[in-house]
Amino acid sequence: DARVTQTPRDKVTEMGQEVTMRCQPILGHNTVFWYRQTMMQGLELLAYFRNRAPLDDSGMPKDRFSAEMPDATLATLKIQPSEPRDSAVYFCASGPSGRGYNEQFFGPGTRLTVL
Amino acid sequence: AQSVAQPEDQVNVAEGNPLTVKCTYSVSGNPYLFWYVQYPNRGLQFLLKYITGDNLVKGSYGFEAEFNKSQTSFHLKKPSALVSDSALYFCAVTLGGTGTYKYIFGTGTRLKVLA
Repeated sequence: DARVTQTPRDKVTEMGQEVTMRCQPILGHNTVFWYRQTMMQGLELLAYFRNRAPLDDSGMPKDRFSAEMPDATLATLKIQPSEPRDSAVYFCASGPSGRGYNEQFFGPGTRLTVL
Repeated sequence: AQSVAQPEDQVNVAEGNPLTVKCTYSVSGNPYLFWYVQYPNRGLQFLLKYITGDNLVKGSYGFEAEFNKSQTSFHLKKPSALVSDSALYFCAVTLGGTGTYKYIFGTGTRLKVLA
């Protein structure tokens, strides 16, 4: 049963520390999305990639966030330095193609708490 | 600009009764519409989608949704609710084509099924 995996599942860190979240998309999927979910803002798209190339990262605070796909099996989201307002659940999702009619497959999320 | 509205933050329904979770959309073009469900501490799971054709689409766990172009709606329904259906439900829209696309998610509706 193919699924998206994310590590770590939970992360508690102190303000100012670097945080790296990892995602392994479903094998064969060429589209990867990063979302952030909070009670106040709901689900926000941070960035998305197709064939490892970033297509849109307009939802991401550029000064502290960065997203990459070093290879087809790994997507990373980094926050440096982290701030308490970054506390949220971060989801990675992958899709089988760059077609709007394809559903996305979500990972279980990384719950980030910045103290 | 594309947008999705879920007008109800929460819907309460008695077990065994029919349920409806509302969604309306605004796009310039033909939409692809989706419903996802999120259980506590989990990622979003795909329920069903409308691409084209029959306005009534059936999905997982007995859910169905009706696409209504004139009312720009895509309400999620189930004839008989179960307590286990209690979760957070998201409607989403995207456009067709082979260019870049983004899902636009609604703010979510919390469904509570009462025993």
